[in-house]
Amino acid sequence: DTEVTQTPKHLVMGMTNKKSLKCEQHMGHRAMYWYKQKAKKPPELMFVYSYEKLSINESVPSRFSPECPNSSLLNLHLHALQPEDSALYLCASRPSATGNPAEQYFGPGTRLTVT
Amino acid sequence: AQTVTQSQPEMSVQEAETVTLSCTYDTSESDYYLFWYKQPPSRQMILVIRQEAYKQQNATENRFSVNFQKAAKSFSLKISDSQLGDAAMYFCAYRSAFIGNQFYFGTGTSLTVIP
Repeated sequence: DTEVTQTPKHLVMGMTNKKSLKCEQHMGHRAMYWYKQKAKKPPELMFVYSYEKLSINESVPSRFSPECPNSSLLNLHLHALQPEDSALYLCASRPSATGNPAEQYFGPGTRLTVT
Repeated sequence: AQTVTQSQPEMSVQEAETVTLSCTYDTSESDYYLFWYKQPPSRQMILVIRQEAYKQQNATENRFSVNFQKAAKSFSLKISDSQLGDAAMYFCAYRSAFIGNQFYFGTGTSLTVIP
């Protein structure tokens, strides 16, 4: 089973709203990722958690706040977003934080629209 | 940071024919992993194939195979007997075997399959 789930599938929010994106995996993976993806562009790395600790923050604006409450769950809290933040937000996980297996598995994404 | 280059923004192939997507990368590391990911329109990104740099043998997965040229830092994907379901964005990606958990993606190639 290589399933990563994300909720909600679609989200429309105003610039003053606070919302959260959720990502779950029950495969025992120890590295989890948040990416932002614009149409026909590659995913842009936002955050990486390794063993539930934030290991990479790609200089993401503070209006995006990640959280890893446990080894299966990853949240992305959103506040005061801008219209340019509208994108597909992808979650991914890897079995091991180091070494093999090397690949990551992606969730289906949350399509976010900021109005 | 590593760079991954996909020089073909768009490609097309007739159904049942063969197509090759190009990818080059820049690294000073000796051990790393290379991947091809497929993202159909409005659908989930999935792993197509993986190559370990220490392996000389090219990876194959059914109709998908790679031509890995380590000295030339080239990693092309060959799709044989193309099917309509192969239509998608294809991203080449790199990950170091030594440090960090970061994946570096190319800009993608949009593949159209013509019936």
